Amino acid sequence: DTGVSQDPRHKITKRGQNVTFRCDPISEHNRLYWYRQTLGQGPEFLTYFQNEAQLEKSRLLSDRFSAERPKGSFSTLEIQRTEQGDSAMYLCASSSGGTVNTGELFFGEGSRLTVL
Amino acid sequence: GNSVTQMEGPVTLSEEAFLTINCTYTATGYPSLFWYVQYPGEGLQLLLKATKADDKGSNKGFEATYRKETTSFHLEKGSVQVSDSAVYFCALSKRQGYQKVTFGIGTKLQVIP
Repeated sequence: DTGVSQDPRHKITKRGQNVTFRCDPISEHNRLYWYRQTLGQGPEFLTYFQNEAQLEKSRLLSDRFSAERPKGSFSTLEIQRTEQGDSAMYLCASSSGGTVNTGELFFGEGSRLTVL
Repeated sequence: GNSVTQMEGPVTLSEEAFLTINCTYTATGYPSLFWYVQYPGEGLQLLLKATKADDKGSNKGFEATYRKETTSFHLEKGSVQVSDSAVYFCALSKRQGYQKVTFGIGTKLQVIP
């Protein structure tokens, strides 16, 4: 399977703990995105990478959140000192580059975070 | 800023019924418009798209027409099937540059036999 993969699929943690999610995009895609989705809402943009460069961060991404994409391949999203409000589905997507926006994002199945 | 408004669900239809899910948008400039679908237990996937006014996107029997004058992109299907049961998201992005997509809240469709 050469789609976007995310790990772990579900993480349960206690408030105050740190968690890290990993995303492996489609191999030929140089663009990678993180979104967050809460129950009954659509996905909300968190951050965007082109290759290894993080080019945009949403204001939703507080100082407790950090994302990396070393070497422009897989990406990690770390949440420090988790809070109950961080409970959500964290979605990773990738796409190919190009000047015309085709708009097609390829999503993984998501990593669900539950903070107790 | 950019935003998408779509009808709240859930929408429950009998098999072979006609489906409409309304979507309107607010955007600066001239966006591209999309419908994404999320089947149970699966990731979001692109259903159809339209990149300019009066374009009609279509896929799997679903259609949506980019209406600039009414800033709308309603999703329609003439005869739904049980397998169409899913959550449908209207979305938009800028036509140039990277694909930062703004999504609506999603509309859950349940089709009963």
